[in-house]
Amino acid sequence: EVQLSESGGGLAQPGGSLRLSCAVSGINLDDYAMSWVRQAPGKGLEWVSVMKTDGGSTYYADSVKGRFTIFRDISKNTLHLEMNSLRAEDAALYYCARMRCGSGSYCMYFFDIWGQGTQVTLSS
Amino acid sequence: SYALTQPPSVSVAPGQTARISCGGKNIGLLNVHWYQKKPGQAPVLVVFDDDDRPSGIPDRFTGSNSGNTATLIINRVEAGDEADYYCQVWDRSDHPGVFGGGTKVTVV
Repeated sequence: EVQLSESGGGLAQPGGSLRLSCAVSGINLDDYAMSWVRQAPGKGLEWVSVMKTDGGSTYYADSVKGRFTIFRDISKNTLHLEMNSLRAEDAALYYCARMRCGSGSYCMYFFDIWGQGTQVTLSS
Repeated sequence: SYALTQPPSVSVAPGQTARISCGGKNIGLLNVHWYQKKPGQAPVLVVFDDDDRPSGIPDRFTGSNSGNTATLIINRVEAGDEADYYCQVWDRSDHPGVFGGGTKVTVV
């Protein structure tokens, strides 16, 4: 059974940093593209970042580009999200999600397995 | 960047059919995926590639996609279907992951 388990959330100050982790079991992390998706209180789902299987192809939402970094530790089968220069609007429940390719001429990903999320709270 | 538009809410009686729209420019050229999100739970994929279902999802859930609108269809709605539903696409830009704003389905 595939399981994703997020950790590392907590209380941070605006301008501060946090590192989120997503421990993966049941699959090899480098066999799948993986994303972080967040949901702020009372808001909808927002895609944050993706790392493709090659490990070198990463993309970010405009709202976090230049402040967040996605990376992985293959030896620990763990995906990370390093979050710097945190803002009030970064407060959210952060999910990691496994991605699969949809059918078609190019890979139009969907998220088939999700973790339970880790909460990030901002307060000065 | 690509944008998806969903109605904020849809109300439906038990046993009836709920239709949730997802609008986007030429969305018919993309694969659309749908998620069910209940409070306190992780999102669940209910439809992928416009009209395919993951294993374990009832065949009451289906979808369509053409032109500028994709639609999630829930037949024979049950009380347990009450949730927020999100459409999602993956485009070719540098920020490719896109979700719609979500639709709250209320069973009345």
